[in-house]
Amino acid sequence: SYVLTQPPSVSVAPEKTAMITCGGNDIGSRSVHWYQQKPGQVPVVVISNDSDRPSGIPERFSGSNSGNTATLTISRVEAGDEADYYCQVWDSSSGVLFGGGTKLTVL
Amino acid sequence: QVQLLQSAAEMKNPGASVKLSCEASGYTFTTYPVHWVRQAPGQGLEWMGWIYPGTGDTKYSQIFQARVTFTRDTSASTVYLDLTGLRSEDTAVYYCARTSLGGTDFDHWGQGTLVTVSS
Repeated sequence: SYVLTQPPSVSVAPEKTAMITCGGNDIGSRSVHWYQQKPGQVPVVVISNDSDRPSGIPERFSGSNSGNTATLTISRVEAGDEADYYCQVWDSSSGVLFGGGTKLTVL
Repeated sequence: QVQLLQSAAEMKNPGASVKLSCEASGYTFTTYPVHWVRQAPGQGLEWMGWIYPGTGDTKYSQIFQARVTFTRDTSASTVYLDLTGLRSEDTAVYYCARTSLGGTDFDHWGQGTLVTVSS
């Protein structure tokens, strides 16, 4: 079955750039979505279809997807970006798949 | 605006069943698939399956297929999740979520329902 692999944690200083990866076999051939979930809150999509930014999501959030790795990039990180981030794809046999999640810590 | 309003928290004994609801508003209920996703305490997101309210078609994750049933009431714009044979590992927040039109991303989520399984 298809598996999405994320690093458990990423740390970044304020104003720096955070990159959160999502690995999967030939993930570049799939559409990847990214969700932000702050403690006690509902997940919110921050990037859809690899690189589309929904209305209301800051331009600091961007996405890319190629080969075996999709990446969520957060530029000029702010304290308010501290959250768990999940990647997600659709698999024709398994249905919806989520990565294990990455905890972003702003130092 | 689009809203998904979920039922209140539940406490159940092991072996019992639970039925959760998710009432949709602000859009054409029969047009968008509704998914169920759960999250155990301190854990990640786990997809359970979806129901297409227009036809009642369903697809379940193999993990839950033997114990879960999704239904809908189009007159009430509500989908339901039935989970049987509850065990402590089923303690989680259960979310309903809508996929975007023609897409596979979840653009709206319910507020979540906490289900606690304990004797």
